[in-house]
Amino acid sequence: GAGVSQSPSNKVTEKGKDVELRCDPISGHTALYWYRQSLGQGLEFLIYFQGNSAPDKSGLPSDRFSAERTGGSVSTLTIQRTQQEDSAVYLCASSLGGATEAFFGQGTRLTVV
Amino acid sequence: GENVEQHPSTLSVQEGDSAVIKCTYSDSASNYFPWYKQELGKGPQLIIDIRSNVGEKKDQRIAVTLNKTAKHFSLHITETQPEDSAVYFCAASRVDDYKLSFGAGTTVTVRA
Repeated sequence: GAGVSQSPSNKVTEKGKDVELRCDPISGHTALYWYRQSLGQGLEFLIYFQGNSAPDKSGLPSDRFSAERTGGSVSTLTIQRTQQEDSAVYLCASSLGGATEAFFGQGTRLTVV
Repeated sequence: GENVEQHPSTLSVQEGDSAVIKCTYSDSASNYFPWYKQELGKGPQLIIDIRSNVGEKKDQRIAVTLNKTAKHFSLHITETQPEDSAVYFCAASRVDDYKLSFGAGTTVTVRA
């Protein structure tokens, strides 16, 4: 597709289970970003990638969160041993980098019960 | 790192009036300032952006101004319409750095 694609769009999981969120960026975009948005809140930065490397992981809330990007394309955000406070919308965006427009996906709504 | 502050957090305006949202940034090396609009249930979408080599940019009813000396930039929406109701985010980044730092967002409500 032409835009940023995220899957699944909705995920309900039990507390303590691991989840994997996927992001397919726009083809050719070298920069990829993950943000978290809790209900009615702003965009909390999690991590960004330049190609396959992540220069800044400072936003990851805890060591239960990890992300990887392979082949300079698809990225996965993994949350281990999910907690109720992990419930939020996880947004992915991609761009050509270097101060260019970032395009966002529709997000994955994660609910931990 | 860059810190972007945004005010107000909520803004209610009468249809036809203007709305102004202000942001400040901390990193004097930042030189790209986009504004995003987020409608309910959707991801944010770019509405306008400005680079540090200009002080103002306009696109129909929206305009952005930048004051690099004071490190602040503003979004102006004129002749507001109900479809302008949304959450607006400002952001800042540097041309030599991929990180995009966002403000906390402003919820704009346009009253009919």
